[in-house]
Amino acid sequence: AQSVTQLDSQVPVFEEAPVELRCNYSSSVSVYLFWYVQYPNQGLQLLLKYLSGSTLVKGINGFEAEFNKSQTSFHLRKPSVHISDTAEYFCAVSEANQAGTALIFGKGTTLSVSS
Amino acid sequence: GAVVSQHPSRVICKSGTSVKIECRSLDFQATTMFWYRQFPKQSLMLMATSNEGSKATYEQGVEKDKFLINHASLTLSTLTVTSAHPEDSSFYICSARIGPYNSPLHFGNGTRLTVT
Repeated sequence: AQSVTQLDSQVPVFEEAPVELRCNYSSSVSVYLFWYVQYPNQGLQLLLKYLSGSTLVKGINGFEAEFNKSQTSFHLRKPSVHISDTAEYFCAVSEANQAGTALIFGKGTTLSVSS
Repeated sequence: GAVVSQHPSRVICKSGTSVKIECRSLDFQATTMFWYRQFPKQSLMLMATSNEGSKATYEQGVEKDKFLINHASLTLSTLTVTSAHPEDSSFYICSARIGPYNSPLHFGNGTRLTVT
């Protein structure tokens, strides 16, 4: 079974500052990793995903994440945030190479960007 | 545009009644859909995996007689909350994959259920 730990429940940051949202996972098998964003009362939108290959993945809205197998981490970064980035961010994992598997989510990190 | 459509977006019902939530895949066929539940300020908890033409697979602790899932076609899965109680009030979200197993899940916009 897989599990995900998002180390920060809330991250306040000023506009145009860099941000890192931390995510660690646990699994005995190979995994796929994802970051989703959720705005209030809405579903989830995919930011980026890691399946294999290059450990640095780039996503939408200027976000990127780096897969670190030795540290079992998949931290999300953005060099300069905007007010509109204020939202809930979820890291998720699924077992690799398995059909029909759901995503397991972390508890989420609330990113609050202020001016 | 949205690839997974969920309806209704918001519903209020009285305790003891049943509520049906629909999840449709738009322009693609989904043999498997996933139903999640999200409490305020918390993560998404997988409730069940909905399989077209067969019984749903429920996660441990989820009452299958209370949360009835039907996946009668390749584009529609429904979740019926039977005999709803206030503690069933929550945000329910469905999801599906377009493509193979390494594709990300696409999510509906969720249904906010309030039981009074």
